[in-house]
Parts: sequence; structure tokens; C-alpha cells
Amino acid sequence: AQTVTQSQPEMSVQEAETVTLSCTYDTSESDYYLFWYKQPPSRQMILVIRQEAYKQQNATENRFSVNFQKAAKSFSLKISDSQLGDAAMYFCAYRSIGKGGSEKLVFGKGTKLTVNP
Amino acid sequence: NAGVMQNPRHLVRRRGQEARLRCSPMKGHSHVYWYRQLPEEGLKFMVYLQKENIIDESGMPKERFSAEFPKEGPSILRIQQVVRGDSAAYFCASSRVVSFFGQGTRLTVV
Repeated sequence: AQTVTQSQPEMSVQEAETVTLSCTYDTSESDYYLFWYKQPPSRQMILVIRQEAYKQQNATENRFSVNFQKAAKSFSLKISDSQLGDAAMYFCAYRSIGKGGSEKLVFGKGTKLTVNP
Repeated sequence: NAGVMQNPRHLVRRRGQEARLRCSPMKGHSHVYWYRQLPEEGLKFMVYLQKENIIDESGMPKERFSAEFPKEGPSILRIQQVVRGDSAAYFCASSRVVSFFGQGTRLTVV
């Protein structure tokens, strides 16, 4: 079974600085998707960025980028120019293809990011 | 994503009662995924349903939990005889490559 590990329960960053959140995963599949989701106090799960495993190029979305190392099974998230609104729980997720084409997600336990003014 | 609608947002039940959680997927989607988030944990997959069919229930507890997605109306996650350990946030999602989530239902068992 696939597993996702986020080794940093909490991280903090100064406003306007850069922070990197770590994620590793374990799988025997060769093709899959990886995601980072943000969960603010409102509890809403918000997609931050996604990466297809077959693409070597790292995904980027504005201030958010990933460092995808397929051989190492590592998928870190870099947030540049951090803003107060970035404060939230961040979850790394692996998309497993299950029974009947199920696109179920396997989540890590999350990293709580605090942004200091 | 506002397209996936869940209700209620908050639900309080006494031990032994039944809890019913509802989810309507995004427009044009005919399937839903249910996840449970225990305190200080990530979301864990429970069940995947298409209209009138359970496709994958590998994450569903064997007892007291059931799910359905009828031809008409929302998907229902039903928890019978709730216990304190069922207290959690329950999320529904629909997916086409990317999963979009509802705002969740926070179930509190007292």
C-alpha cells in the first residue's frame, strides 16, 4: 500500500521569506500524481499544486513550486515570498488508482505552517 | 471548491444515535469520495461511489458505517450507533484528475 510521510509537524517562516515543506512517499507504481493541499482554519481543502510522475519538469504555480525527485520518492513544496494568508495546514497527497478506477488520495499527516509578520 | 456541497457543516449526536451526512458532487460529476479526518491527522479514504454503485469501500469500517449514492439526490454517509471515536471531520470530494472537496461536516459525539 502507498504511504505518504510528512516529517515536519510544524514550520514557521517570516513574511516575505521562503520556506520548504518536505514530503516523501512509498509506492511500487511507475505512474501516479502527487498533490499539495492547503487547509486553513475554515477547514476547506484547497489544491495548491499538482505533479504528474511522468513529467520531469517541476510544477510551478505563482509563488508555489515543487522539487520532485522520483528516484528518491520525494516531493517538497517551496513557498516563496510568504504571505500571512499562507498560514495553514499543508497536506501532501498521492493519487492511487484503486478498485474500479478509483482516484482515491493517500494523505500525509500534514505540516502546520505559521507565517510571522 | 464551492461546487461540492456538504451538509450539515456541524452535527452533534449523543452516543448510540445515528448520524447522516450528505454530499452533492460538482455539477457534471456522477461520483463521490468520502474521507475522514481525525484530530491532528490527514484525511483518510473511506469509500468511492458512483450513482447507485459502491465501487471501492476498502477504507470503510466494517461495522456501523454505510454509504449510498442514489439515482436521485445526494450521497449519504450513515453512521449507526455513534461512539466518541467517530468524532471527526468528514469530507466529500469529486474528482476528474484533480479532487475537489466540500467544506466538510464536523461530527461531534457527546
